[in-house]
Amino acid sequence: SQQGEEDPQALSIQEGENATMNCSYKTSINNLQWYRQNSGRGLVHLILIRSNEREKHSGRLRVTLDTSKKSSSLLITASRAADTASYFCATVSNFGNEKLTFGTGTRLTIIP
Amino acid sequence: NAGVTQTPKFRVLKTGQSMTLLCAQDMNHEYMYWYRQDPGMGLRLIHYSVGEGTTAKGEVPDGYNVSRLKKQNFLLGLESAAPSQTSVYFCASSYLQATAYGYTFGSGTRLTVV
Repeated sequence: SQQGEEDPQALSIQEGENATMNCSYKTSINNLQWYRQNSGRGLVHLILIRSNEREKHSGRLRVTLDTSKKSSSLLITASRAADTASYFCATVSNFGNEKLTFGTGTRLTIIP
Repeated sequence: NAGVTQTPKFRVLKTGQSMTLLCAQDMNHEYMYWYRQDPGMGLRLIHYSVGEGTTAKGEVPDGYNVSRLKKQNFLLGLESAAPSQTSVYFCASSYLQATAYGYTFGSGTRLTVV
């Protein structure tokens, strides 16, 4: 079963705008990670946020985590055409589970 | 280039045929994983390994077997392929458990079973 669910399923924005994607999950987590997948390629790790962290930045990426609401958001600022991809959240459970469980993804399209 | 290499990249099988997908990593990672990706379902874990000589079942292990005889290689086998196994298969590895590190993924194997 999927642990994370991303929202929206698809998002189209103009180049230069900010893109926000949300992820909700069900169980207590150790950490939450975001990955990017370009069409026809493997997933690329973007950022990891631990359960005791509330916000993390990496370049144009900003991730927030609200463990009370079991949700996370990924913000991409000043979007570029190269950001067009699918974005997945993935969680690591607190219950002795060392594996990642992925959500179904958000398909982001940046319109030049 | 260092990373995770999957072979083959594409394959078409007839129902009932067998095949082995190979995953190789040169990063000295302990943990290796096999996922399948289907439209609208995200990635689902098939089997994984926490070290050489070890394997464990994931979320959807039926119809698949795995082996990790060498630390750098993780093989996924389909003994008798079924159309339901048509999917894109991804191998991933991590240095330690996912509580500390993200995964490195291969570029995938697109398998069609007819």
